[in-house]
Amino acid sequence: EAQVTQNPRYLITVTGKKLTVTCSQNMNHEYMSWYRQDPGLGLRQIYYSMNVEVTDKGDVPEGYKVSRKEKRNFPLILESPSPNQTSLYFCASSWTFGNEQFFGPGTRLTVL
Amino acid sequence: AQKITQTQPGMFVQEKEAVTLDCTYDTSDQSYGLFWYKQPSSGEMIFLIYQGSYDEQNATEGRYSLNFQKARKSANLVISASQLGDSAMYFCAPSGAGSYQLTFGKGTKLSVIP
Repeated sequence: EAQVTQNPRYLITVTGKKLTVTCSQNMNHEYMSWYRQDPGLGLRQIYYSMNVEVTDKGDVPEGYKVSRKEKRNFPLILESPSPNQTSLYFCASSWTFGNEQFFGPGTRLTVL
Repeated sequence: AQKITQTQPGMFVQEKEAVTLDCTYDTSDQSYGLFWYKQPSSGEMIFLIYQGSYDEQNATEGRYSLNFQKARKSANLVISASQLGDSAMYFCAPSGAGSYQLTFGKGTKLSVIP
C-alpha cells in the first residue's frame, strides 16, 4: 500500500530533550516536506527536500533540523524542544514539487 | 512566502445544496498550480482537486469543481450536492514556479446541516 508513515503518532516530552520524528514514504517520491499545524494558522511549511541531500527552509524553520540521506526517509529533528513547538506535525511527499502531496497521519507533539 | 486568503473561517450549508469556498492568492508567477485539500475531524489531509494556471478548463473531480479566475488570482472550490461527510476543514495551497515552497491558507471550516 502506497503510504507515508510517521512515528511516533503522539509524543509528550520536556523542554530541551532532543527528539526525532521519523517520516518514510514507499512511493519513490522525490519531494518531501514537513508542516506544522496550529489552530487558526493553517499548515505552515517547516522544511522541504527536492531530492536526496537537497533540503531547504520553509516558512518556520527555526528550532528544527532535517536530513535526507535516503530518498524514502525525511526525519524531523528538534535539538532542544520548547513549549512553542507543541503542535501537530505532518510529513508529506510527492513525485516532484507541484504534484499532489500525500500526507502522513500526523504526529501530535506536546512539549512541557 | 505567498499570501493566501481564505476569507470564510466558517461556513454552513444545507445538505444537498451547493457551496462555494473562497481562495485568493498573491503570486507574481506566470506558471503555477493550485491545490485544495480536505481535513476531516479525524485529522488526515486528503487531496481533492488541482488546477494548473495554464489549464483552459476549470478543473472538476466528481462533486468538486474549481471556479478559477486567473486575472483575479482566485480559485474558489465549489462542492455540489453537499453531504454530511463534507463537514471538514478545507485548505487551498498555490504552488509557484519561482519557489519550491508550498503555502497553505488558514482554512475554511465547513459544516453541513441535515
